[in-house]
Formats: sequence, structure tokens, C-alpha cells
Amino acid sequence: SQQGEEDPQALSIQEGENATMNCSYKTSINNLQWYRQNSGRGLVHLILIRSNEREKHSGRLRVTLDTSKKSSSLLITASRAADTASYFCATDAYSGAGSYQLTFGKGTKLSVIP
Amino acid sequence: NAGVTQTPKFQVLKTGQSMTLQCAQDMNHEYMSWYRQDPGMGLRLIHYSVGAGITDQGEVPNGYNVSRSTTEDFPLRLLSAAPSQTSVYFCASSSTWDSSTDTQYFGPGTRLTVL
Repeated sequence: SQQGEEDPQALSIQEGENATMNCSYKTSINNLQWYRQNSGRGLVHLILIRSNEREKHSGRLRVTLDTSKKSSSLLITASRAADTASYFCATDAYSGAGSYQLTFGKGTKLSVIP
Repeated sequence: NAGVTQTPKFQVLKTGQSMTLQCAQDMNHEYMSWYRQDPGMGLRLIHYSVGAGITDQGEVPNGYNVSRSTTEDFPLRLLSAAPSQTSVYFCASSSTWDSSTDTQYFGPGTRLTVL
């Protein structure tokens, strides 16, 4: 079953604006990852944040994690048309026999208008 | 490195037909997995493998078989295709067996339609 859930489902902004996407999850996690998917393509890893981290940066991306609220946010600053894509959060979920597997949310579809 | 490759890119099957989706990686990754992506849904895990000779079921394994005879290849077999298996299939790999802590590298996907 899906652990993470992104919000909003869709987001449309002007180029140059910031875009914020949120992810909520149900059970305790060890790590949370964000991925991007361009239309018709595979997913590309953006960033991983561990449960003992509160914030992480990578270029124009900023990810925060609040384990008390079971939520994470992805901020893309100074958005560009090339940022148009779907963004997914992925969390680890226990799948039995000591194994954890990644589970993905349904994604936020971001449209950046030039 | 080619990364993760998948063939074919597109496939149309009739109900009841069988076929194999191919996946290969050239990064010597231990972990490989198959996901399906349906409209409005995230990715759902079908099967995964933590190394050659070792496979296990994911969230939605029914109707699919896998095997891992080499580190590089992880084919997904549809035994008797059903319209409910119409989807986009993604193969992914990561360097270690612990997929939850490692970057997943995804292939470009196979778009399958079952009539």
C-alpha cells in the first residue's frame, strides 16, 4: 500500500516563482526520497533525507522533514520551464523478513509557465 | 555506461498472450526491481531482487513471474496477459540491497497495452 501522499496533486506557476510540494506519510520512516519524472520518461532521483535530518539542500532544491508531523516538503526556487514534471516522494516501508522497500506516492504534477 | 535499459518500449498484446519484458543494467547493482505505474497512481512494486538467484514479491505480484540468473538481467514475465495489466512498467536498480537508503536508477519504461 502507498505510504506517502503528495499535495497538491497539480500545481501551476510562472517561471521564476517558487514551487512547494508536500508529502505526508503514515508510519515511521528511516529515510525519505524525492524523485522527478518528465513526461514519458523514467524517474530520476533528486534527494534523500534521513529521519535524523531536518533540512537538506541541493542546488535550487530544498527538502525539509518533520518526523513529528510525518511530513516532508520539496521547495524548488526560481523555477524554470524545464522543471515541468511530476514529483514523487518515496518512503521506506517494512515488507517483512527484515526487508524495507520503497513505496511511492501518487505525485504532484508541476507546470511551469514561461 | 548505458544505465538501466528496457525493451521493448511499446507492446500490444491480446488477452491470454504471454510475453517477457527485458531489463538490464551495466552498473553491477545488487538490487533490481519492477514497478508498474497506472494513471493517477504512484509506482507500485511488483517484484524485486537483492542479488542473483534471489527474488521476492512486492505489493502487486499476481500474474507476473521474475528470475535473476545474472547480476545484469531481471526479466519480467507476464504469464497470461489481462486488460488489467495495461500499464507502464519501470525497472529500477540500486547499488546495494537496501533500496530504501539508496538511489534508485530507473529505466525509460515499457508501455504495455492488453486488448
